Amino acid sequence: GQQLNQSPQSMFIQEGEDVSMNCTSSSIFNTWLWYKQDPGEGPVLLIALYKAGELTSNGRLTAQFGITRKDSFLNISASIPSDVGIYFCAGPPLGDGGSQGNLIFGKGTKLSVKP
Amino acid sequence: NAGVTQTPKFRILKIGQSMTLQCTQDMNHNYMYWYRQDPGMGLKLIYYSVGAGITDKGEVPNGYNVSRSTTEDFPLRLELAAPSQTSVYFCASSYPGQGISGNTIYFGEGSWLTVV
Repeated sequence: GQQLNQSPQSMFIQEGEDVSMNCTSSSIFNTWLWYKQDPGEGPVLLIALYKAGELTSNGRLTAQFGITRKDSFLNISASIPSDVGIYFCAGPPLGDGGSQGNLIFGKGTKLSVKP
Repeated sequence: NAGVTQTPKFRILKIGQSMTLQCTQDMNHNYMYWYRQDPGMGLKLIYYSVGAGITDKGEVPNGYNVSRSTTEDFPLRLELAAPSQTSVYFCASSYPGQGISGNTIYFGEGSWLTVV
């Protein structure tokens, strides 16, 4: 089945640094979603991307839908301690067309921020 | 604004015991899901439902059962708990459609289950 590969698996950065992470697949996705999971909580949607090439921002977060439809990138600028958490990319499986609504998730990128 | 509510938050089960994880949502979403998240892994879909009275298997349904008698509730049942079912369980819901309101899944806070 379709899979999403995220890298890096984990990151340790200094407060104020910019962060970049990506998500790739061997097959096409028509929607890319980025979620953040705080420790002990459920994932929360950060950014949704629906068109190839689309670049969308949400505050200090910027995500891009790759033009090949096989990848997506998430950047965080000027990181702060509350950015700590696990970032997941996700997308609906091909052929779903939104009729089922279930998602395939990557394994996540764990972000640690040193004050 | 409750959203998706799961109970219990934590539970320890003995091998062979059964239990039900409760999930309710107040957003009038048609679709509901149960995911499990093992340590260091992404979420995997157990079961989902596209509406009251309709359920279907996800990627990892073995050892679980679900029912959907109302739009609001989607309980997950473990009949004979096994150590392999130790995981964090997330209930979620969504309203199907295009754009930001479609394929946007809202998650509960999770239920930590340990089987010993």
